[in-house]
Amino acid sequence: EDKVVQSPLSLVVHEGDTVTLNCSYEVTNFRSLLWYKQEKKAPTFLFMLTSSGIEKKSGRLSSILDKKELFSILNITATQTGDSAVYLCAVSTSGTYKYIFGTGTRLKVLA
Amino acid sequence: DTGVSQDPRHKITKRGQNVTFRCDPISEHNRLYWYRQTLGQGPEFLTYFQNEAQLEKSRLLSDRFSAERPKGSFSTLEIQRTEQGDSAMYLCASSSWDTSDTQYFGPGTRLTVL
Repeated sequence: EDKVVQSPLSLVVHEGDTVTLNCSYEVTNFRSLLWYKQEKKAPTFLFMLTSSGIEKKSGRLSSILDKKELFSILNITATQTGDSAVYLCAVSTSGTYKYIFGTGTRLKVLA
Repeated sequence: DTGVSQDPRHKITKRGQNVTFRCDPISEHNRLYWYRQTLGQGPEFLTYFQNEAQLEKSRLLSDRFSAERPKGSFSTLEIQRTEQGDSAMYLCASSSWDTSDTQYFGPGTRLTVL
């Protein structure tokens, strides 16, 4: 059965710290991996990683995909209180339209 | 606002009642997804529409759940004979054919079954 596992489940850091969030997956016919940020409402898209794009960066956030070892990491540098949220990882596979989400990592950044 | 909208935002119902939720995707998006999310979990895929065609439905989806997208624009999700286990946030997301993996989520409908 396809699955996506995120770690840690929760994390508390202080402003200015750097954090690394992990997402590992076991799926058949991997197509893409996506990262979302979810505050008290709907998830908002951060990055998409595929075979042809295994590293993405936007401001203080960056992500890499290791297709050989079947995982991705999301890095946030110089964290701010506004980064506090649940970070979700989702994987899509060829031959199906569904996306498989992990349970998320809850990040809390203290001032 | 040109984002995904959902209605109602909150619904409280008694066990056994039927409920219907509506999703209006971003206007040019032809792909529409329904998800269910419970506390502490990631969204769980329920069903997918491409235009008006329902192309995939989760095997875990009870036959009490049905979804439609009659004209390829808005979609409805109906739950018949609700059970307490149906209490969750129901999220709708849409995407376009050229950026299909980039889904834009609506604010969700929070269902509470008493």
